[in-house]
Amino acid sequence: DTGVSQDPRHKITKRGQNVTFRCDPISEHNRLYWYRQTLGQGPEFLTYFQNEAQLEKSRLLSDRFSAERPKGSFSTLEIQRTEQGDSAMYLCASSPEGRVAAFFGQGTRLTVV
Amino acid sequence: DQQVKQNSPSLSVQEGRISILNCDYTNSMFDYFLWYKKYPAEGPTFLISISSIKDKNEDGRFTVFLNKSAKHLSLHIVPSQPGDSAVYFCAASAQGNKLVFGAGTILRVKS
Repeated sequence: DTGVSQDPRHKITKRGQNVTFRCDPISEHNRLYWYRQTLGQGPEFLTYFQNEAQLEKSRLLSDRFSAERPKGSFSTLEIQRTEQGDSAMYLCASSPEGRVAAFFGQGTRLTVV
Repeated sequence: DQQVKQNSPSLSVQEGRISILNCDYTNSMFDYFLWYKKYPAEGPTFLISISSIKDKNEDGRFTVFLNKSAKHLSLHIVPSQPGDSAVYFCAASAQGNKLVFGAGTILRVKS
């Protein structure tokens, strides 16, 4: 029983560079979520997919952020022209349809220098 | 605006005693509530949940209580163990959609 897998676990990038993160959900889960967590806060919702359709995006998600889930399997989250304020833990979660509890990956920690 | 609030940033409890973690919410549309536990450098792990049609749900040492009129829920851990030391997040959902999290409470169980 493999859980949610995220890659990379850590990413250090210079301001202005683009970064891309990958998430592989639990195989039978058709819902996939991206959250962002900063120090001292709980995870904040960014976006979610049901199969390949992106159903909701948070107002927190600026135009520099884009997410995809081709073929309803893995997902990528890209941040263009990174800023220091993008430094955070990016968490991916998945759940089967009809179940509210989502299962989280270990996250990708992004540091923008 | 914070729709889910955990007003205690930290809690320290002696091993074997009860830990009570509290959570308040403001959005009346929330109909499902969850608790997650998080260790450093790991993602949150689902612990226990409760639907708004219930007022109590129990799973082993963990019990969640929901008071809808007060918009308040709590997580009881009995007996507390050192391995329970972690950050606990309360989360809420409306109609099965995204989770809205509180800021978390750091629980430290002393042996």
